[in-house]
Amino acid sequence: AQSVTQPDIHITVSEGASLELRCNYSYGATPYLFWYVQSPGQGLQLLLKYFSGDTLVQGIKGFEAEFKRSQSSFNLRKPSVHWSDAAEYFCAVVPYNQGGKLIFGQGTELSVKP
Amino acid sequence: DAGVTQSPTHLIKTRGQQVTLRCSPKSGHDTVSWYQQALGQGPQFIFQYYEEEERQRGNFPDRFSGHQFPNYSSELNVNALLLGDSALYLCASSSDIGPDAWSEQYFGPGTRLTVT
Repeated sequence: AQSVTQPDIHITVSEGASLELRCNYSYGATPYLFWYVQSPGQGLQLLLKYFSGDTLVQGIKGFEAEFKRSQSSFNLRKPSVHWSDAAEYFCAVVPYNQGGKLIFGQGTELSVKP
Repeated sequence: DAGVTQSPTHLIKTRGQQVTLRCSPKSGHDTVSWYQQALGQGPQFIFQYYEEEERQRGNFPDRFSGHQFPNYSSELNVNALLLGDSALYLCASSSDIGPDAWSEQYFGPGTRLTVT
């Protein structure tokens, strides 16, 4: 079945530590890939997106993500986490030929320890 | 430049009632999508409107309907409300023109609907 999977429901990291949030997708053709962040009481903000080309994508707020076709993964990384990064992170895809229809994963809640 | 706006912010309805939620897209955007986000879940695509027509629809019953106006704003209507309709309803807008057509969807803050 077509799906987007975020294996980690909740992650806690210390401030200043590195971060990696996992995302796997299951689609026949490589979809368009996105990471969004949602702070409490806020809407969703786009961090970065991948359509094609360079598999390492830079986003806002110091985030980056790497597309690995062989692993059907699009993991989000940040070298040094700040307390303000605490939020819910969603991986999302737009399946091939379904322009505009975002399919979201379940989300990963990030907590940051001082 | 105003982003995506939604009204109302919060809403409490009784089971069986009908509700209308409103969305104004970001300036320059002509496409509006609606999503339902249940507590602890990722958003689920309800439908998308472009040129006042429903262009795509997710797996939601006909109780969920929508409309897009000539100024690109949109409404989401839900009839015969069920307890399970309690959720955050998100509106997103995008542009159907240019190299990044529809690719970047800007989300509003959402309307929190509680059905009792």
